[in-house]
Amino acid sequence: QKEVEQNSGPLSVPEGAIASLNCTYSDRVSQSFFWYRQYSGKSPELIMSIYSNGDKEDGRFTAQLNKASQYVSLLIRDSQPSDSATYLCAVSSGNTPLVFGKGTRLSVIA
Amino acid sequence: GAGVSQSPSNKVTEKGKDVELRCDPISGHTALYWYRQRLGQGLEFLIYFQGNSAPDKSGLPSDRFSAERTGESVSTLTIQRTQQEDSAVYLCASSLSVSRADTQYFGPGTRLTVL
Repeated sequence: QKEVEQNSGPLSVPEGAIASLNCTYSDRVSQSFFWYRQYSGKSPELIMSIYSNGDKEDGRFTAQLNKASQYVSLLIRDSQPSDSATYLCAVSSGNTPLVFGKGTRLSVIA
Repeated sequence: GAGVSQSPSNKVTEKGKDVELRCDPISGHTALYWYRQRLGQGLEFLIYFQGNSAPDKSGLPSDRFSAERTGESVSTLTIQRTQQEDSAVYLCASSLSVSRADTQYFGPGTRLTVL
């Protein structure tokens, strides 16, 4: 059974701080890793993808991957109240559907 | 271009009735997925279609649930004899193929309420 684990939160950070969201996965052959953002009452939207070990930066977002530790994280710099949402980690092993974690709820306090 | 669309956006039904939910994927997307999301919960995978291959039904919670897809186009999710625990948002997603998870996009969902 492939599993993706996330802390459900809520994770509360003050505006302007760095929010750190973490995810672990069980399937060692996982190849692709994604972060989705889901606002309350809306559907998930893809915000980051990462495929190789290390960091990948896109604006205020940085995804970090460590395949040896089976760990992927998302850092949000200069957090804004508009970043308040649930963040879903998803993992792909190639020719099977994405496996989603249950999500971490982030609350950015103004 | 057009994204994934779903209809209806909201559906209220009485316990025991059958419902049909519709999903129109992005044109050219051969993979189509159905998920269920109960209030405050994570995504629960139900079923996926990849091209003309037999669908993966491993996530369907009971035999009251079924889904069909016409070629690489529209899909319908049918829930027979609805129960109150079926109340949830049903999300559809599509991607170029199941191996192209980087192209997976979600529709807006159908909110099902079973009274």
